Amino acid sequence: GNSVTQMEGPVTLSEEAFLTINCTYTATGYPSLFWYVQYPGEGLQLLLKATKADDKGSNKGFEATYRKETTSFHLEKGSVQVSDSAVYFCALSPGAGSYQLTFGKGTKLSVIP
Amino acid sequence: DAGITQSPRHKVTETGTPVTLRCHQTENHRYMYWYRQDPGHGLRLIHYSYGVKDTDKGEVSDGYSVSRSKTEDFLLTLESATSSQTSVYFCAISESVRDTYNTEAFFGQGTRLTVV
Repeated sequence: GNSVTQMEGPVTLSEEAFLTINCTYTATGYPSLFWYVQYPGEGLQLLLKATKADDKGSNKGFEATYRKETTSFHLEKGSVQVSDSAVYFCALSPGAGSYQLTFGKGTKLSVIP
Repeated sequence: DAGITQSPRHKVTETGTPVTLRCHQTENHRYMYWYRQDPGHGLRLIHYSYGVKDTDKGEVSDGYSVSRSKTEDFLLTLESATSSQTSVYFCAISESVRDTYNTEAFFGQGTRLTVV
């Protein structure tokens, strides 16, 4: 079946530090890949997505590249801010007529001034 | 923001009582989902719907039922609530797009349910 594995948290960084959150997946076919962000007390919001191999998704300074050869979709940001503190979820949509999302367990990021 | 409203936002109920959570959308999206979020588990799919009166089970469907009598409403019912169903419940919607099966989901604000 489909699965998503992301690095365990929590992750604590100082402001302006470089961020990487690792995500690898298992899926058949040609899945689409997503990063969602959840701020405290809120629902999930789509941060970025990539729908085919070698695509790069980007938004708000965050980037992730769909690497089919390593089945990975790592999230990166060059300089984090306190406002980036949140829980980040990697997810996949398997395609082939399925609209269900499979999520990783989430990584909590705390950015300190 | 996608028009998704979950009600209630918070609920405390007693073990053994029935509970119904409501998800209402104004986007006319075909697909609707119920997830639960628990520490250490991320989000897990309970049930989903691919049209009016068309529903199917997800990963953790035991103890839950759903109904969708209108495009805009998707109800989740806990027939007899147990403490293990204490969780945060999220509704999500998505739409099919011609020639692609890969569209993102939009989430509601969540319902925090406590079973005592």
